[in-house]
Amino acid sequence: NAGVTQTPKFQVLKTGQSMTLQCAQDMNHNSMYWYRQDPGMGLRLIYYSASEGTTDKGEVPNGYNVSRLNKREFSLRLESAAPSQTSVYFCASSGRRGLDEQFFGPGTRLTVL
Amino acid sequence: GENVEQHPSTLSVQEGDSAVIKCTYSDSASNYFPWYKQELGKRPQLIIDIRSNVGEKKDQRIAVTLNKTAKHFSLHITETQPEDSAVYFCAAPTTDSWGKLQFGAGTQVVVTP
Repeated sequence: NAGVTQTPKFQVLKTGQSMTLQCAQDMNHNSMYWYRQDPGMGLRLIYYSASEGTTDKGEVPNGYNVSRLNKREFSLRLESAAPSQTSVYFCASSGRRGLDEQFFGPGTRLTVL
Repeated sequence: GENVEQHPSTLSVQEGDSAVIKCTYSDSASNYFPWYKQELGKRPQLIIDIRSNVGEKKDQRIAVTLNKTAKHFSLHITETQPEDSAVYFCAAPTTDSWGKLQFGAGTQVVVTP
C-alpha cells in the first residue's frame, strides 16, 4: 500500500497563477485533511473532509478551495496564488475523525514569486 | 476552539540524557493527545498518543503523561540518541461539531554526541 500520496512534490508559481494540489489515500479512510506548515507555526489546518461528500473550513481557509472527489481523493486549489501562500502543504487522512492517528503524505513545497 | 501551547521551542540535549516537552491545552473536554515526530525534510509521523482515561503511556524509550486537572501533557524521551533529533509536535482535538486536531508550534530537539 502506498498510504497517502501527493503531487506535485515541488512547485513554483507566479503571483496570480492557479494550481491544484492532488492527494490520494489507499487506506479506505473516511477523513482527509489539508495542512500548511510554516517555520515556527506548526501545522495549521486549511480544510478538512469528515467523509466523502463533505468539506469544511479549518483555521486558515482564505485563498483556498477543496474538492473531495471520492473517498480516496481530496484536492486543494489555489485560484490566485499570493506570496503569503508560500509554504509546505501536507495532506493527511485518518480512519476516525479527530480521535485517531493521522497519516501524512510526503508534502508539496510551494513557492509563490 | 482549542488552544495548544508547546514548550520549549528548541531543546538541546547530550546523548544519553532525557528530554521533556510540555504542552498545555485549553478545552477540558479534550480526550485524545497525540505526539508526532518530523525528521528534516520528511512528513510528520505519530510516535505515541494517550487518551484521557489513562495518566501515562510508555513505548520503549518514549512516554507520555497526562494531567487533566492542570490541562497539560508531556512527552518524555529517555536515553536520547542522535536519531531522536527532529521536530516534535503535540496536538489536541477541538471539541466543536467535528473534533479536528489543533497542533502545537513544535519543539526542535537536537541530540549532541
